[in-house]
Formats: sequence, C-alpha cells, structure tokens
Amino acid sequence: DAGVIQSPRHEVTEMGQEVTLRCKPISGHDYLFWYRQTMMRGLELLIYFNNNVPIDDSGMPEDRFSAKMPNASFSTLKIQPSEPRDSAVYFCASRLGTGGNEQYFGPGTRLTVT
Amino acid sequence: GENVEQHPSTLSVQEGDSAVIKCTYSDSASNYFPWYKQELGKGPQLIIDIRSNVGEKKDQRIAVTLNKTAKHFSLHITETQPEDSAVYFCGRGNTPLVFGKGTRLSVIA
Repeated sequence: DAGVIQSPRHEVTEMGQEVTLRCKPISGHDYLFWYRQTMMRGLELLIYFNNNVPIDDSGMPEDRFSAKMPNASFSTLKIQPSEPRDSAVYFCASRLGTGGNEQYFGPGTRLTVT
Repeated sequence: GENVEQHPSTLSVQEGDSAVIKCTYSDSASNYFPWYKQELGKGPQLIIDIRSNVGEKKDQRIAVTLNKTAKHFSLHITETQPEDSAVYFCGRGNTPLVFGKGTRLSVIA
C-alpha cells in the first residue's frame, strides 16, 4: 500500500480564497483523522470519522472549516474563506479499528495564506 | 479529551548519550500511550507504545516506562545517533488520540 496520500503537498493562497485539502486513507482503514500542526499549538485534532461518519468535530476552529468523507477512500478538509492564521501543516491519518492500533499519518499539506 | 503535558520542548545531547522525554496526563482512564517520531518534512510515525498493564517496554535502543499511579510516562533513547534527531510526540488515549506538544531532539555529532 502507498500509505496515506495527501494533496496538494504545498498550497499558497490569498486571504479570502477557498482552500480544499484532500486525503486518501489506507485501504481498509475505518478511522480517518484530520490534524493541524503549528509551532504554537502543536498537533491539534480537528475532526475524525469512523466508517465515513463524522464522530467528533469539536476541534474544528470555526465555521470556516468543514470536512467531508463521501466514501471510504476519500476525505476533504475545506477552509472558506481562508485567513493568514490558518497557515499551518495539515495532516490526515488513518487507522484500522480501535484498541490502541497505530495511526498512519500522511506527509501533510503545508498551507500558507497571505 | 484532557491534555498531555510534555517536557522538555527542546533537548540537545551529544552523540552516544541518552535522551529522556517525559509526559504527564490527568485522565486516569487512559490505557494506551504511544510515542511518535516526526522527521523533517514528514508525518509522525509510531516508534513504540505501551499499555496500562505494563510498566516498561523496550525495543533496541528505545524504551518507554509508565507509572500509572503518578500518571506519567517517559521515552528513553540510549546511545543516541544523529538520525535520532527529530520531533517526538507522546500520546494518550485511543479514540481520539491526544498528543503532547512535542520535543525537538538534536543529537550533536
């Protein structure tokens, strides 16, 4: 398996624009997580899905952020409108089941909002 | 979920020395404690984990210890090498997994 795939790897956009980040989890994994990483706040969980259903979105910073998982092999994280403070590295991770199984992280998308 | 406190935030050691990173937590129900390593430009990767029914676990040069009474756990890296330089995250819980803020380890050759 190619691991968790994220696109794009880098995104530079202007304030006010819509940004869509994409993730393809490892085939067969039933959990998908979106994290944001910044120097100040570390690795923050934004939202996670189980069997394509959003379970906890309490980490989503505000209504400008939304996430979807239309099927088991694809998820998106959308920011509309984007702001400079959204600049961060966004990671997607997937996992098979519970019970302390490993979360596999993608390579991340580095977002810069100017 | 409740936070995990991780210390130190940065750590520099000479090659060959040991490195220790500590984490504390407050949720007594936690029973799973993983450690992830993040190299530059990559996502975090699991390097070792421990469950609450075990006090210590080793894997070659790395080990993790858990003190459930005191609610703290530590990562120990012995005989450090330059390739150990990375950011290390502790975690607690399972779903969701809560991470500490990370420790940037620099191994000086």
